[in-house]
Amino acid sequence: GAGVSQSPRYKVAKRGQDVALRCDPISGHVSLFWYQQALGQGPEFLTYFQNEAQLDKSGLPSDRFFAERPEGSVSTLKIQRTQQEDSAVYLCASSSEGLRTQPQHFGDGTRLSIL
Amino acid sequence: GQQVMQIPQYQHVQEGEDFTTYCNSSTTLSNIQWYKQRPGGHPVFLIQLVKSGEVKKQKRLTFQFGEAKKNSSLHITATQTTDVGTYFCAVSNFGNEKLTFGTGTRLTIIP
Repeated sequence: GAGVSQSPRYKVAKRGQDVALRCDPISGHVSLFWYQQALGQGPEFLTYFQNEAQLDKSGLPSDRFFAERPEGSVSTLKIQRTQQEDSAVYLCASSSEGLRTQPQHFGDGTRLSIL
Repeated sequence: GQQVMQIPQYQHVQEGEDFTTYCNSSTTLSNIQWYKQRPGGHPVFLIQLVKSGEVKKQKRLTFQFGEAKKNSSLHITATQTTDVGTYFCAVSNFGNEKLTFGTGTRLTIIP
């Protein structure tokens, strides 16, 4: 079946603008994760949903970052009043439910550039 | 918070040579996962290790979990150009789905 789908693939915004990034997880996957990956670095955890419940948002860098998954499937990561340091690749991943930590399936990411 | 270090940061090898990357955690782990990210691509799951001292093999790749469950290694035998990419270990704490990724080892192959 289809993998994790993210849109847009690339986003260029001016500093101060708001952006919204979309993630379509694998159908039936309960868990959804957002990560931020700076150039040459590993993915850094932002937030995690189990169905529609946001269970962990400890990685969100500031209150300008907001994520939602209202119906337990598609998720949106919103960044308000963007700043240059927000430039990065934003990766979404989903996983199925299990008794132990499951493999995460990643999308191709959205490359965000703030001018 | 959780810290996960990988060494080396970079590795350049001649095609056909072996390659090893090591992952070290400051705390005892419930499990460890390994991912591969090709240049311009996204992380792809390779394997998960759960048991102390566990060794798993996938063709030319051998994964090992330390006895104390604080470290792990990935060994590639006879590297090929298709092995190019960055290899990340990723760890989670007991009862928490959140992954903390290691610093990664970037492998380049000299043909």
